[in-house]
Amino acid sequence: KNEVEQSPQNLTAQEGEFITINCSYSVGISALHWLQQHPGGGIVSLFMLSSGKKKHGRLIATINIQEKHSSLHITASHPRDSAVYICAVGLLTQGGSEKLVFGKGTKLTVNP
Amino acid sequence: EAGVAQSPRYKIIEKRQSVAFWCNPISGHATLYWYQQILGQGPKLLIQFQNNGVVDDSQLPKDRFSAERLKGVDSTLKIQPAKLEDSAVYLCASSVALAKNIQYFGAGTRLSVL
Repeated sequence: KNEVEQSPQNLTAQEGEFITINCSYSVGISALHWLQQHPGGGIVSLFMLSSGKKKHGRLIATINIQEKHSSLHITASHPRDSAVYICAVGLLTQGGSEKLVFGKGTKLTVNP
Repeated sequence: EAGVAQSPRYKIIEKRQSVAFWCNPISGHATLYWYQQILGQGPKLLIQFQNNGVVDDSQLPKDRFSAERLKGVDSTLKIQPAKLEDSAVYLCASSVALAKNIQYFGAGTRLSVL
């Protein structure tokens, strides 16, 4: 079983729709990261959170530590939001460093 | 602020050949990571450096992969000899410190092994 599970794997939406991507994990974590990857490979960090909720523009990330679950929401989706969204959990090692374990990603396509 | 620089962007080689990738992290970032991302999967950590020391290389196939960060700044990742299953995007990332930090990614090197 993967330590990080994302759903759905693929998501197609119409412009303006509210989007939710889910992430579940099975281990204790130091932090949870949401990242965006556009075609061509570049990865951009969207959020790093260890509790509660964060908002940046039309993006909202929430985490429930007890349930080991996080969601990424996109309000008023736009075709430029089309990308792969990746959830990653930070695991602290004995040496005090953080190792990121990534989910497989959710491919989002927003049609005009 | 300049981002993480990687080169080359693309590389095509035949199996059993050698290849090297280069990464220049963001200035001042002590921690550097090399990831392998196979098509359809999330990135997998190969090696993590703190300055010029290795923090984690538990998932690096050491029989064929090697990496160094001699002066604590630039880093190179080498594969020798390459196998077909090494075809992937190799991503370099850097962060200010070891834990609970945003990681900044380079554009990656897409390797095709024929």
